[in-house]
Amino acid sequence: DVKVTQSSRYLVKRTGEKVFLECVQDMDHENMFWYRQDPGLGLRLIYFSYDVKMKEKGDIPEGYSVSREKKERFSLILESASTNQTSMYLCASTKGQGPQYFGPGTRLTVL
Amino acid sequence: QKEVEQNSGPLSVPEGAIASLNCTYSDRGSQSFFWYRQYSGKSPELIMFIYSNGDKEDGRFTAQLNKASQYVSLLIRDSQPSDSATYLCAVITGYSTLTFGKGTMLLVSP
Repeated sequence: DVKVTQSSRYLVKRTGEKVFLECVQDMDHENMFWYRQDPGLGLRLIYFSYDVKMKEKGDIPEGYSVSREKKERFSLILESASTNQTSMYLCASTKGQGPQYFGPGTRLTVL
Repeated sequence: QKEVEQNSGPLSVPEGAIASLNCTYSDRGSQSFFWYRQYSGKSPELIMFIYSNGDKEDGRFTAQLNKASQYVSLLIRDSQPSDSATYLCAVITGYSTLTFGKGTMLLVSP
């Protein structure tokens, strides 16, 4: 069974704080993804990575950065959190062009 | 802009009926198609994937693909109240990146 874990289920931060969201997968998948999901807007791709040290911008990268130092771990960083970044953040991984498997999600609230 | 369209619903069906969920996509070159189920407050869970034209069955679920019409559907037979969720259609639009529809909410009444 594919297992994708995320560091927190719920997180509350203040405006201007630096926020780290971590994602770990245990299936040796080379591809990892970060999405955010908002009511009425669906799932939107923030960043993705095809390999260690590699990153690609998705559809909405502004205000975010990522880090992939190890194959199994992909981190999403909010350099200076803002209230419009309050959302559900979802990490996913896949091998090649196979299905993406999602972690449980982190519901982030920025006050 | 590559798009995936789904009716937002809700689609209401009685228990035991067949639920039919539909999805159209704009990228004619898309080769891989996925259906996810998402319960409220939870993350998407893969139900089925389909790569070839025709039908693919897995238990109570059947995925149907028609590439000429750029149409993919999911049938759920013998619908149960536990099937009540939002169903997301997703299409590969890059090397492995997915474009998701906004989902159809399914409500199965006892």
